[in-house]
Amino acid sequence: EAGVTQFPSHSVIEKGQTVTLRCDPISGHDNLYWYRRVMGKEIKFLLHFVKESKQDESGMPNNRFLAERTGGTYSTLKVQPAELEDSGVYFCASSPWLKGDTEAFFGQGTRLTVV
Amino acid sequence: QKEVEQDPGPLSVPEGAIVSLNCTYSNSAFQYFMWYRQYSRKGPELLMYTYSSGNKEDGRFTAQVDKSSKYISLFIRDSQPSDSATYLCAMSFSNTGNQFYFGTGTSLTVIP
Repeated sequence: EAGVTQFPSHSVIEKGQTVTLRCDPISGHDNLYWYRRVMGKEIKFLLHFVKESKQDESGMPNNRFLAERTGGTYSTLKVQPAELEDSGVYFCASSPWLKGDTEAFFGQGTRLTVV
Repeated sequence: QKEVEQDPGPLSVPEGAIVSLNCTYSNSAFQYFMWYRQYSRKGPELLMYTYSSGNKEDGRFTAQVDKSSKYISLFIRDSQPSDSATYLCAMSFSNTGNQFYFGTGTSLTVIP
């Protein structure tokens, strides 16, 4: 069974540009989460989808971040325009419905560098 | 104050040693406690989770939760070089899709 897959694995963009990160969850997983790790800090929650609906987006830092989950399958996280402080590793995780967080599987992450 | 505190290490032990990794937390409402292992340039991999207080054992790994002290531990017996990784504790309020709160992770190296 394929795990959670994220694209790209690494992205380097200039300040002010737009970047779109993609996450393909494990097939059948209704819960999809985005997390971010800024260098030297802990992994922090960004938002949570249940199927195509945003369940909790309390961790989104500002309106430059837009997340979507088309048809309850893959998800994208767009940063527009990117700022230097957006650099970090963005993780996606998925879990089955009613298993919540305790069986969340993480992708390998997308390392975003804004220069 | 951070929700979850974890000593970042690094921790270096000889092969075969018993390793103790710990986290403390401030919010008594946390109910689920997870340990993740993360290899370099990889995503976190779930090792085990515990609900509320008590112990849970899985092979060489034992997780302990002491809610009265707001303290959780992960013990690794007979440590192996392949256990060298960063260990992350995480916790949540429920099992119904709440966000995780992570520690910063402890870097462990097991020396052959």
